[in-house]
Amino acid sequence: GESVGLHLPTLSVQEGDNSIINCAYSNSASDYFIWYKQESGKGPQFIIDIRSNMDKRQGQRVTVLLNKTVKHLSLQIAATQPGDSAVYFCAENIPLSEGQNFVFGPGTRLSVLP
Amino acid sequence: ETGVTQTPRHLVMGMTNKKSLKCEQHLGHNAMYWYKQSAKKPLELMFVYSLEERVENNSVPSRFSPECPNSSHLFLHLHTLQPEDSALYLCASSQATGDLLPLHFGNGTRLTVT
Repeated sequence: GESVGLHLPTLSVQEGDNSIINCAYSNSASDYFIWYKQESGKGPQFIIDIRSNMDKRQGQRVTVLLNKTVKHLSLQIAATQPGDSAVYFCAENIPLSEGQNFVFGPGTRLSVLP
Repeated sequence: ETGVTQTPRHLVMGMTNKKSLKCEQHLGHNAMYWYKQSAKKPLELMFVYSLEERVENNSVPSRFSPECPNSSHLFLHLHTLQPEDSALYLCASSQATGDLLPLHFGNGTRLTVT
């Protein structure tokens, strides 16, 4: 039969504009959140993280916002560049007795238009 | 250059074959993970090893058999796979110290089962 791929939300932005990628997470016990970027042919690459006792964290050109009330996470990318084109995943950590159990969202594809 | 190396990058195998995927991390981490990434689902956790002991087996079929001989190496042994097992298999590592730290991923093995 025909295989059906996962339909990824897509965000298209003009080069130089700011991008905002949103993510809803599921578990109120999650204590740690990460944004990953995945380019074609590569594994997910760490961008920025935030712990549940914070609501905002800034990196170089990126900002993560956490709203625990509505279980919402967002990634803001300032001055979006062509090299930012990729699939972006949020991940929430659900604590285990040992190790970590990250649950990943379905991802958002970011396309940067010239 | 990633600190987590996976081999082979691509693998095509028949349903009756036996093959193994290899992962090596050069980051001094003590926890390693196998994830499956398919076109139909978000990233799925398969196995977690912490200090070389398996601490999580996420209801994975027995045709997938992990092995962690030491904290730097992780294998995934495959036998009698099905076409729906075709996917990108990602290895990750982290430092499981009780603190919250991100996963570091390899670039994956693209597996095709014919």
